[in-house]
Amino acid sequence: EDQVTQSPEALRLQEGESSSLNCSYTVSGLRGLFWYRQDPGKGPEFLFTLYSAGEEKEKERLKATLTKKESFLHITAPKPEDSATYLCAVQAERDDKIIFGKGTRLHILP
Amino acid sequence: DVKVTQSSRYLVKRTGEKVFLECVQDMDHENMFWYRQDPGLGLRLIYFSYDVKMKEKGDIPEGYSVSREKKERFSLILESASTNQTSMYLCASSLPINLEGAANYGYTFGSGTRLTVV
Repeated sequence: EDQVTQSPEALRLQEGESSSLNCSYTVSGLRGLFWYRQDPGKGPEFLFTLYSAGEEKEKERLKATLTKKESFLHITAPKPEDSATYLCAVQAERDDKIIFGKGTRLHILP
Repeated sequence: DVKVTQSSRYLVKRTGEKVFLECVQDMDHENMFWYRQDPGLGLRLIYFSYDVKMKEKGDIPEGYSVSREKKERFSLILESASTNQTSMYLCASSLPINLEGAANYGYTFGSGTRLTVV
């Protein structure tokens, strides 16, 4: 069964304190792995798609990396406005549906 | 600016009422999805549609139905609302996976409808 597990569930960091969020996945034939950001009371906002092991993508203070079993979202020198829930999701080759993890709630303290 | 629009941000309904949640997208996307999101449970797929008049059950379809009469509109129907259907409901749309480069865009989500059933 296809599955996505994110850790930690919640993370509190001081402003400027870099860290990483983890997404472990099992899927029969990966088409793509996605990262989304979700602010409270809003829908998820698409950040990145990663397709194959070794791939990396960056956007401002965020960098996503991918291996055959997991993905990391690295946050460098975060700011309070980076506070949000970050969702990881995978799409199998056979399907248009994507499977979401439960997310990591990130809180950056000023 | 392309977007997915959900008709209501907040909705309060009584137990037993028939409830309609509307979703419209202006991106000419073939695929549309309905999720519910609950604390500790994450996003769970209720129904999805890959084309007009087409619908398929997701992981938790019980108590729900959908309608897709036009490409841009996907409606979620709660046949007889119950308190355990109190939740945040999210609509999303996407390009089909057989379209080259489609995955570069992922899903586009609406802002959500927070439904309370009393």
